[in-house]
Amino acid sequence: QVQLVQSGAEVKKPGSSVKVSCKASGGTLSNYAISWVRQAPGQGLEWMGGIIPIFTTANYAQKFEGRVTITADDSTNTAYMELSSLRSEDTAVYYCARGMLSGTGHYFMDVWGKGTTVTVSS
Amino acid sequence: QLVLTQSPSASASLGASVKLTCTLSSGHSSYAIAWHQQQPEKGPRYLMKLNSDGSHIKGDGIPDRFSGSSSGAERYLTISSLQSEDEADYYCQTSGVFGGGTNLTVL
Repeated sequence: QVQLVQSGAEVKKPGSSVKVSCKASGGTLSNYAISWVRQAPGQGLEWMGGIIPIFTTANYAQKFEGRVTITADDSTNTAYMELSSLRSEDTAVYYCARGMLSGTGHYFMDVWGKGTTVTVSS
Repeated sequence: QLVLTQSPSASASLGASVKLTCTLSSGHSSYAIAWHQQQPEKGPRYLMKLNSDGSHIKGDGIPDRFSGSSSGAERYLTISSLQSEDEADYYCQTSGVFGGGTNLTVL
């Protein structure tokens, strides 16, 4: 059974960047859609963007366009999310999730990482 | 543009059943969704993928108490024989779209 192992908690200054990793253990990411989803304190789940590693091209939610970069390394079964120009409102738990692709082109997240807490504070 | 709509809260008694609803926006009534559970202070967990015909594929280890059904643009999650650990937030999702979540209280 595949597990997604995320990197550890981060504390960052406003204006800096953070890069979070997500490694698949016991399986591959290649043929799946990998999403990054964040959850601010007391809020719901918010999709930031995703990538299908075999296609290498990522797509992003409009809200984060220009500030987030999602990449994947097929050789190490690891996906990355980098968020720049951090502000206090980016304080949240960041999750990666594997999405199973359907014939309609949609995907459904069936495996979640445990989350990485990112705190932005001066 | 796809929008998934959920009631913010629901409640039911221990041992009873509850049916949560996710409504797809106009023009998207044929879409499948996934249901996810998030217990307090934990990350989300995949429950099932639910198709427009009501067929569903559950995740590993998801109890039989959890089932899904569909009617038109509505997708349902039914939890029977409610237990205290079912108290959680429940989200529906398709691709990069999430519903706002339903907070379920078990009385």
